[in-house]
Amino acid sequence: DVKVTQSSRYLVKRTGEKVFLECVQDMDHENMFWYRQDPGLGLRLIYFSYDVKMKEKGDIPEGYSVSREKKERFSLILESASTNQTSMYLCATQVPETQYFGPGTRLLVL
Amino acid sequence: SQKIEQNSEALNIQEGKTATLTCNYTNYSPAYLQWYRQDPGRGPVFLLLIRENEKEKRKERLKVTFDTTLKQSLFHITASQPADSATYLCALDRGGYNKLIFGAGTRLAVHP
Repeated sequence: DVKVTQSSRYLVKRTGEKVFLECVQDMDHENMFWYRQDPGLGLRLIYFSYDVKMKEKGDIPEGYSVSREKKERFSLILESASTNQTSMYLCATQVPETQYFGPGTRLLVL
Repeated sequence: SQKIEQNSEALNIQEGKTATLTCNYTNYSPAYLQWYRQDPGRGPVFLLLIRENEKEKRKERLKVTFDTTLKQSLFHITASQPADSATYLCALDRGGYNKLIFGAGTRLAVHP
């Protein structure tokens, strides 16, 4: 079974803080994704990575950056958290066409 | 721009009936379409994939159809059970590293 873990289930941060969300997969998959999910808007792609140190912007990359130093780990960074980044963040890995999601991190920015 | 639409209103049905969920898309020609199930506070879980050259696919009580002319997919759950209550998301391939675009999902509630 594919296992995708995320560092926190719930997180509360203050406006302006730098926030790190980590995602780890155990299946040696090349493609990894970060989404945010908001009511009525569905899953929106923030960034994805198709190999170590390789990354591409998704549909809503503004205010976010990512890091992939090792194949199994894909980190999402909020450089300076803002209240409009309060959301559910989901990490996924993919092979070949199916995506496997982590449990999600519910982030609240105050 | 690419657009994918699912019924935003919740679907309420009685146990034992067939639930039918709809996914429509525009400005798009996907190579495949997928359906996922999402329970509250959890990540989506893959259910079925159907390719553009397939009309129908089945898995146990689940059936998916894909009409590329109508640009529509229907997702059926037969003999529905309360345990089927969840939000169901459709997702289309948009090419390039197998990226997906997701619909907002339809919430299904199956009542005993």
